[in-house]
Amino acid sequence: ETAVFQTPNYHVTQVGNEVSFNCKQTLGHDTMYWYKQDSKKLLKIMFSYNNKQLIVNETVPRRFSPQSSDKAHLNLRIKSVEPEDSAVYLCASSYWGRDTQYFGPGTRLLVL
Amino acid sequence: QQQVRQSPQSLTVWEGETAILNCSYEDSTFNYFPWYQQFPGEGPALLISISSVSDKKEDGRFTIFFNKREKKLSLHITDSQPGDSATYFCAASVNYAQGLTFGLGTRVSVFP
Repeated sequence: ETAVFQTPNYHVTQVGNEVSFNCKQTLGHDTMYWYKQDSKKLLKIMFSYNNKQLIVNETVPRRFSPQSSDKAHLNLRIKSVEPEDSAVYLCASSYWGRDTQYFGPGTRLLVL
Repeated sequence: QQQVRQSPQSLTVWEGETAILNCSYEDSTFNYFPWYQQFPGEGPALLISISSVSDKKEDGRFTIFFNKREKKLSLHITDSQPGDSATYFCAASVNYAQGLTFGLGTRVSVFP
């Protein structure tokens, strides 16, 4: 039973375009995350966010930015995509102060 | 440098056997260790987790053994089933707000 929803499932775009991915959770959590899973299956945290603070992994390029309208939604915008941005982007959520995170199915991005 | 290491990279067992997946970590401040199961095309799903104050956690056919002194842990899957065929990720965290640090995963194949 999926409680973290992501759209689209798959997106193909060209270098330099702007893309935006959506994430919604129905678990009542107050903290959300974005992870990047590369071609070697390595998962790396990009952002964690709740209404109190945004924590950014310092290795994340500035063209990436999270956007939140409320605690149930956290979108990811990429301003000008690069070929190395091709990956699966996974959204997750948890309660603030709790370690257990629940993941969505991911959005696969292919940059041509 | 990989903060969380997993071995083996892949593992094949017969139905009914016990699969043993290993994980080690560098940062002694890590205090929470979840294992996630991921099927192709899906997001990771939390399987079982342990905190650093425990040395064993059991949930059905899945058991985590934790050795804090050696900074090692292992996941045992007893009575392996073909449906257990998936990639298993060991993860660690020291601060929930900074997200999880993942290993590269172990791909498990269970043959009937």
